[in-house]
Amino acid sequence: EADIYQTPRYLVIGTGKKITLECSQTMGHDKMYWYQQDPGMELHLIHYSYGVNSTEKGDLSSESTVSRIRTEHFPLTLESARPSHTSQYLCASSELAGGMLQETQYFGPGTRLLVL
Amino acid sequence: QKEVEQDPGPLSVPEGAIVSLNCTYSNSAFQYFMWYRQYSRKGPELLMYTYSSGNKEDGRFTAQVDKSSKYISLFIRDSQPSDSATYLCAMRGAGGTSYGKLTFGQGTILTVHP
Repeated sequence: EADIYQTPRYLVIGTGKKITLECSQTMGHDKMYWYQQDPGMELHLIHYSYGVNSTEKGDLSSESTVSRIRTEHFPLTLESARPSHTSQYLCASSELAGGMLQETQYFGPGTRLLVL
Repeated sequence: QKEVEQDPGPLSVPEGAIVSLNCTYSNSAFQYFMWYRQYSRKGPELLMYTYSSGNKEDGRFTAQVDKSSKYISLFIRDSQPSDSATYLCAMRGAGGTSYGKLTFGQGTILTVHP
């Protein structure tokens, strides 16, 4: 079982509030990711990081921001939540194995966010 | 048009059936192909990983990749109720800027009933 944790698991919050979704992994992985997943839809990459002080935007435009000050920690922040931010947010980390060919992404359990 | 297309189902089969799950894709740069399983209220977990074309077997699961047709499949033999989950295909290119950036299908919901 993957050692990657997300808190909170569920969050209901009003419009305009600032929120931070926490993600931590204890596997020492350099690469970490945030995905957004809506019901019946594919996962969309919104942010990723190749290591400490490295962050990049993903393929799906997002109003959220991320930081990577420590290897194990990759929080996601929404400065002003809106109903359109309602979704499930999944954090993942990855390592290379099998002679650098196989990359395994390990996912956390997700945070279900509802913005009223 | 989406880069990866996956029939969302839902798919309902009796216990012991052979299940076939499929994805098609349009980006010929994809080299690595994965199947993830996601149980309700959990994150996805890697089930199978295949590089380029060919077959890979792991217990009751077989992954097939046909790059000429841009088509990948996952077969589940002797399906069990515990296989009930959403199955997501994912893929990426080889190295460079595509390293680590997976493109997912929308997932197929599978229910195996006793």
